[in-house]
Order: sequence, then structure tokens, then C-alpha cells
Amino acid sequence: SSELTQDPAVSVALGQTGRITCQGDSLRTYYVSWYQQKPGQAPVLVIYANNKRPSGIPDRFSGSSSGTTASLTITGAQAEDEADYFCNSRDTSGDHHWVFGGGTKLTVL
Amino acid sequence: EVQLVESGGGLVKPGGSLRLSCAASGFTFSSYSLNWVRQAPGKGLEWVSSVRSRSRDIYYADSVKGRFTISRDNAKNSLFLQMNSLRVEDTAVYYCTRDINYGSGSYIDFWGLGTLVTVSS
Repeated sequence: SSELTQDPAVSVALGQTGRITCQGDSLRTYYVSWYQQKPGQAPVLVIYANNKRPSGIPDRFSGSSSGTTASLTITGAQAEDEADYFCNSRDTSGDHHWVFGGGTKLTVL
Repeated sequence: EVQLVESGGGLVKPGGSLRLSCAASGFTFSSYSLNWVRQAPGKGLEWVSSVRSRSRDIYYADSVKGRFTISRDNAKNSLFLQMNSLRVEDTAVYYCTRDINYGSGSYIDFWGLGTLVTVSS
């Protein structure tokens, strides 16, 4: 099975740009999605298909993916963006398995 | 409005069994693949199992294969996870999630609130 690797923690100053990365072989082949999770809550989809934003997600959230690295960028970070962020894609061991990154704790200073 | 509501979690001893349920509403249940994803306390997300729309195709993570069984009842808009031979390391919040097809791929677009399973003696 494949793995997705994320930095455990990232910090960003209020109003500045923060970037969270995700690395894994599966990203060469499959779309990446990103989920935001606040304490005690279920994950919420913020980016799908590498760079698409669901309705209701602020446009300060953007995504990209190239080769084995995907990125989630928050432009003009707000206090409410402080959360855990997880990347996700299909597993290289089969189209029907999912794999998640270990998560990144985003702190807004 | 899409809703996924899990139930059936609780405290169980190692070696015991538990059956989780997920009641769905707000969408055409039978048209979607569904998954169980779990999160151990303070840890990341781990995919557990998936079932395609017509139940013909079912998949499991190696960590639960042979112990867990996923099923669905499209007439009752419900997803299930039968968990046997439970281990301490199965302790987690279990989420019911929905897949969406997009282009040549797919993604998980919606999560329930989860149900907590605690395996402890």
C-alpha cells in the first residue's frame, strides 16, 4: 500500500499565506483531496480533484498537485482556519482503497 | 440536505463484537459507493472498508480483513459494519463517508459525525 506524508505542524501569521504539503507516489496517478477538521468535529472537504473548491468553501483555499507532491494554500489565513488538515487519495495498491496523510496542525498566529 | 448518521458505538471487551450502522438521507443512497473511515484518539484518519453501490464489490484494509464485514441495505438507506474479534487498537471514532465520481477518479465528499468504539478490558 502507498503512503501520504505531511508535515505535522505549520504556522502562519494572521492574514498571511500558509501552505501545507502532501507527498506520495499515489499522487502521480490519482486526484488529491483535502479535509479540514476542527476539534471534536467531523472532517470537511475543502479541496477535491487537486484544485477544485466545493461550494461554501472560501476562495482563500486553493490546491495544486504535480508529480508526487500536492499543496493546500490558504491565502489570507483567518483565525477560524486553525485546524487539522488531511490529504487523501486512492491507494496505489488498488483503485478501491483510500489512503490518508497523517495530518498537519495549522496554527494561525 | 445530505445526512449520514452513525450509531452503534460503545464500550466492548477485547475479542468482542459490535455492529455499527449509518442512516443516510438527502440523496439517492443506492447510487453511491460508501466507506467506513476511522480515527483513533488523537491520531489521523484510516480507511477501513468500502462497498460499491450494488454491493458486488467490497474492499477492506489489511488491518481489519477477516474480522470486519461491511454491508448495505439500499431499501433502507443504511450502511453497516459488523466488527468481530475486536482489539484494543480498533478503538476509534468510526465515520461513515460517501464517494463521489469525478472525471476519471473520485473523492470522499461527505462525512457523518462519527460513532466512538472503545475496546478495553
